[in-house]
Amino acid sequence: DTEVTQTPKHLVMGMTNKKSLKCEQHMGHRAMYWYKQKAKKPPELMFVYSYEKLSINESVPSRFSPECPNSSLLNLHLHALQPEDSALYLCASSRSPSGVTYNEQFFGPGTRLTVL
Amino acid sequence: GQQVMQIPQYQHVQEGEDFTTYCNSSTTLSNIQWYKQRPGGHPVFLIQLVKSGEVKKQKRLTFQFGEAKKNSSLHITATQTTDVGTYFCAGRTGNQFYFGTGTSLTVIP
Repeated sequence: DTEVTQTPKHLVMGMTNKKSLKCEQHMGHRAMYWYKQKAKKPPELMFVYSYEKLSINESVPSRFSPECPNSSLLNLHLHALQPEDSALYLCASSRSPSGVTYNEQFFGPGTRLTVL
Repeated sequence: GQQVMQIPQYQHVQEGEDFTTYCNSSTTLSNIQWYKQRPGGHPVFLIQLVKSGEVKKQKRLTFQFGEAKKNSSLHITATQTTDVGTYFCAGRTGNQFYFGTGTSLTVIP
């Protein structure tokens, strides 16, 4: 299984809502990532989990809260988002952070989030 | 700000023509990866280069990593309509990992 799955595919939420994005992989990868991608822009790294521990937080606002319950699952909890947070949220995984290099990353299809 | 720039931003080619995108970093990179993202899709890994001056080929695609490990290029020979998409380089510098700004390729049949 070389697939990364993400749910939901689409999400519309109000600024006062609380929602969660989910990501799952069964490739035995020990590094998982959250990215944010705006239209016609490159993916921007948000968080990196290495062996289920948060290793990188790219100065992301606290209204985004990541969680890694186990080596196969990655969640992104959303609370009090702003309209400018509307974007495609991509999850990715790789074998391991492996020293100074990031291995090949497998991306999921993404969740398209709209904040009203 | 963005440290990995790609040129051109957009490229339209006639099917059968060649295409090249260039990736330039302001700092030395540990490695460079290339991804392709089809319209409406997600990034798909193409290749990774690690060594200074490294050149790798995949069928019609040729990837190069500069001697100073600050730049890279992707060259496609004889483009096909299936090559349509945005090509991103991505690399790590220190604890930072950046995607390049991307080059959007349109192939005219």
